Amino acid sequence: GDSVTQMEGPVTLSEEAFLTINCTYTATGYPSLFWYVQYPGEGLQLLLKATKADDKGSNKGFEATYRKETTSFHLEKGSVQVSDSAVYFCATGGYQKVTFGIGTKLQVIP
Amino acid sequence: SQTIHQWPATLVQPVGSPLSLECTVEGTSNPNLYWYRQAAGRGLQLLFYSVGIGQISSEVPQNLSASRPQDRQFILSSKKLLLSDSGFYLCAWEGGQNSPLHFGNGTRLTVT
Repeated sequence: GDSVTQMEGPVTLSEEAFLTINCTYTATGYPSLFWYVQYPGEGLQLLLKATKADDKGSNKGFEATYRKETTSFHLEKGSVQVSDSAVYFCATGGYQKVTFGIGTKLQVIP
Repeated sequence: SQTIHQWPATLVQPVGSPLSLECTVEGTSNPNLYWYRQAAGRGLQLLFYSVGIGQISSEVPQNLSASRPQDRQFILSSKKLLLSDSGFYLCAWEGGQNSPLHFGNGTRLTVT
């Protein structure tokens, strides 16, 4: 079946630092790829998505590019803020069967 | 616009007691519905999903069950809770192929 691998963290960065959270996946076919964000005590929210190879998803300064050749969908942000502190989940798949990574906790300190 | 409601937000129940968590979706019809459990350090575990009224698929054998009595209502139940049932339960809906999941705010269940 499908699987998603991402580091668990926590990742601790200073404000305005560059962020990369790696995500690799295994899947049959060409699944859609997603990044979700979970703020403390809340459910998950869609952050960005990409539906085909070489697509770049972006939102709130975050970006991720669907790389079929390396089966990756790394999340990046050029300058993180304290308000970005959350858990980030990479996910693959789609209709009826979404597979999530374990989630990466990000802590941004002032 | 579509919204998803999940309640209660928090729940403390003794071991052996029953459980009923409810999830309802508004603003869409015939959604796929999901129950996930999130335990500390273990990511998201898919428990059940449903593609229609009365249609439930179970992903993990356990003492939980799910029901979908109406198109936009999804209920998670247990007859007798175990300590290991503690966790954060999330309901989600999905509108179609390549659509993202939309999550409720979750229920924090503590079994004592």
